[in-house]
Amino acid sequence: GENVEQHPSTLSVQEGDSAVIKCTYSDSASNYFPWYKQELGKRPQLIIDIRSNVGEKKDQRIAVTLNKTAKHFSLHITETQPEDSAVYFCAASKGYSTLTFGKGTMLLVSP
Amino acid sequence: EAGVAQSPRYKIIEKRQSVAFWCNPISGHATLYWYQQILGQGPKLLIQFQNNGVVDDSQLPKDRFSAERLKGVDSTLKIQPAKLEDSAVYLCASSLDRGGSNQPQHFGDGTRLSIL
Repeated sequence: GENVEQHPSTLSVQEGDSAVIKCTYSDSASNYFPWYKQELGKRPQLIIDIRSNVGEKKDQRIAVTLNKTAKHFSLHITETQPEDSAVYFCAASKGYSTLTFGKGTMLLVSP
Repeated sequence: EAGVAQSPRYKIIEKRQSVAFWCNPISGHATLYWYQQILGQGPKLLIQFQNNGVVDDSQLPKDRFSAERLKGVDSTLKIQPAKLEDSAVYLCASSLDRGGSNQPQHFGDGTRLSIL
């Protein structure tokens, strides 16, 4: 089955800095890669996703890049703000198969 | 649109007792998922329904866990009997069924289960 590795497990940045979270996946047939943000005690919320026919996608301060050859994808957050502090999860799936999640990255943005 | 509704939000039971969780997906979403999220980890799929049929239950501990979605809308997940290691947040998610490609999954707030 699919295996998703996520790094780092924790990330501390100063407000205004950029943050990058990286994930690798094992199944070359995976074609859908969402990112979720989960604040403490709250539901995971989809913040951006990318499909395998696209190499990069951007939404305001958030961008995701995908390298199919290397089987890795990354989340980039620019101009970080304290409200970006949360746990971020990457995931991967193919076709109608279920999502396989990474273990999460706790992002702390200090004012 | 209304989001995925789950109840209860919290449940505390003793080991070997039974517990049930309820989920109502977003209106029109054919696919419903139950996930288990242990503290400090990502969600792990327990079971996936498409309408009222099971698509994937390969990671469901069938000796103690059961789930149903009889009318293809809301769903119930049951644990009987509970073990200490079942302490976790149980998340329900739903997605539109659009042939041939994954659609975003939308999560509910979850039920936090504590086993004493």
